[in-house]
Amino acid sequence: QQPVQSPQAVILREGEDAVINCSSSKALYSVHWYRQKHGEAPVFLMILLKGGEQKGHEKISASFNEKKQQSSLYLTASQLSYSGTYFCGTEIGGNTGKLIFGQGTTLQVKP
Amino acid sequence: DTAVSQTPKYLVTQMGNDKSIKCEQNLGHDTMYWYKQDSKKFLKIMFSYNNKELIINETVPNRFSPKSPDKAHLNLHINSLELGDSAVYFCASSLGGNTIYFGEGSWLTVV
Repeated sequence: QQPVQSPQAVILREGEDAVINCSSSKALYSVHWYRQKHGEAPVFLMILLKGGEQKGHEKISASFNEKKQQSSLYLTASQLSYSGTYFCGTEIGGNTGKLIFGQGTTLQVKP
Repeated sequence: DTAVSQTPKYLVTQMGNDKSIKCEQNLGHDTMYWYKQDSKKFLKIMFSYNNKELIINETVPNRFSPKSPDKAHLNLHINSLELGDSAVYFCASSLGGNTIYFGEGSWLTVV
């Protein structure tokens, strides 16, 4: 039931764009995106609930496909502060609060 | 003010010992969680309480016993610590099953 994230790791230069994908074999109730910096707690970025939904602002946004089995996180014009590990957390079957996290995608932004 | 606070932040202890981690949230949330993050950064839910009632109890050894004296507190007691218990333990909270806010983590090392 664990969602699969891809890629596992990304290295970017400042100003470049990245896409992180999160896929599930089952339809999801929701997808939550978090960023975790080394030695710190995961920090909430956004939650998607509806199929076909797109959310966020121009720099960091996310989408949830119509079948609700895949979500993508878009990082535009990346900044050094975007570095960290990105996790998608998925809920199946309803608003249970039980998040099953993907294995994480490590993003490193270089000057 | 820290929204979700947990103590201690670092804990080094010997195999066989019993230890506790305390967690408090001041967000007025009704649901609290314990998550475990291993050395490969895999983040997995252990327990969830809603208004002091246990609602999620994943496959966790019964050496781990959560206790929620009130809805603002969720403590984790671990008996007979083993080397494999070494991990970062995150407390978290939410209102219902919505956005989950994580505490700063407790780094447990069993030697």
